[in-house]
Amino acid sequence: GQNIDQPTEMTATEGAIVQINCTYQTSGFNGLFWYQQHAGEAPTFLSYNVLDGLEEKGRFSSFLSRSKGYSYLLLKELQMKDSASYLCAVMDSNYQLIWGAGTKLIIKP
Amino acid sequence: GAVVSQHPSRVICKSGTSVKIECRSLDFQATTMFWYRQFPKQSLMLMATSNEGSKATYEQGVEKDKFLINHASLTLSTLTVTSAHPEDSSFYICSARGQADNEQFFGPGTRLTVL
Repeated sequence: GQNIDQPTEMTATEGAIVQINCTYQTSGFNGLFWYQQHAGEAPTFLSYNVLDGLEEKGRFSSFLSRSKGYSYLLLKELQMKDSASYLCAVMDSNYQLIWGAGTKLIIKP
Repeated sequence: GAVVSQHPSRVICKSGTSVKIECRSLDFQATTMFWYRQFPKQSLMLMATSNEGSKATYEQGVEKDKFLINHASLTLSTLTVTSAHPEDSSFYICSARGQADNEQFFGPGTRLTVL
């Protein structure tokens, strides 16, 4: 079966760094996505990795290891507005997105 | 960038009535659109894949006669929840596939409350 695992909830301090991990087992792989979702809103795109390595985009970076079925999202210089759920999703061989349950990130002052 | 709109953003209806939700790609043509449902504190669940000019493909466990999907044009897909019940209350989100297969753009979602 297809499976995406990520922690349910994480807590971090404003100004700090947090890493959200995601492991996956899917039928085929056409890339891994990270989305941010604030309560009551639709997901917004953060990053896309299809090759191994680190993709940096401002305060956010995403890493992928296809051999390990592993990715992480790294958030630096955390701000209160970063409090949200972070969804890991893998695009399978049929180009369908398989979603993780999301990680709720709580930022404390 | 590509923009997807949904209408209405919020709807409250009585049990037994039908509700139609529209999903539009505003500045691009989308041959494929996806309909998701999200219950509180849960991840997105794909309901169906909608292809322009053909019948939608429903995920296992989703009743096609209850959730009617029409993708009549390259910029519009509609989801009609028929004979709505309180358990259908949820956040419904559509997304549209862009030019590349790995592009998917989300609408803002529709909050449905069935009384």
